[in-house]
Amino acid sequence: EDQVTQSPEALRLQEGESSSLNCSYTVSGLRGLFWYRQDPGKGPEFLFTLYSAGEEKEKERLKATLTKKESFLHITAPKPEDSATYLCAVMFSGGYNKLIFGAGTRLAVHP
Amino acid sequence: EADIYQTPRYLVIGTGKKITLECSQTMGHDKMYWYQQDPGMELHLIHYSYGVNSTEKGDLSSESTVSRIRTEHFPLTLESARPSHTSQYLCASSELGLGTEAFFGQGTRLTVV
Repeated sequence: EDQVTQSPEALRLQEGESSSLNCSYTVSGLRGLFWYRQDPGKGPEFLFTLYSAGEEKEKERLKATLTKKESFLHITAPKPEDSATYLCAVMFSGGYNKLIFGAGTRLAVHP
Repeated sequence: EADIYQTPRYLVIGTGKKITLECSQTMGHDKMYWYQQDPGMELHLIHYSYGVNSTEKGDLSSESTVSRIRTEHFPLTLESARPSHTSQYLCASSELGLGTEAFFGQGTRLTVV
């Protein structure tokens, strides 16, 4: 079954404490893996797209990486404003071009 | 500025009423999506469209319907609202190519009483 699983469900960090979020997927014919940030009561905000294993993308304190089975979102020296839910989504060739989301990781960064 | 707009942002309505949630985008995107999201839960795809006159049902069964008469407009309609329809509804759009990112509106928080 095509599936996207994110872990952990929730993560609490102290300001400056680096960590990683995981997104594992079991789909065939990956066309793209996407990371989004969602603040409470708002729509998801696009962060990165990764297309092939070994690819990496960076933006400020965030770095996304991709292997054949999973993606990591590394957060370096996080700040309280990085607190949000981080969503992973995939698009795959057998999914008729649909975007399928994982349940997300709720990140809380405390000063 | 290119963007995607949803109206209303918040709606409280009585059971049995007909409602239409509006979604418009100015990016000229062919693909548009509707997702449903309960608080703290994942997004579930309920409808999508590849372009004008194209509509498809998503993975989550929904009693809503959609139409795509114009490229920029993708409204979602509930003929008879029920308390079980209470949720956040998110609209998104993307270019037609494979692996293209989707951009989301701010959502409509619907409460049916």
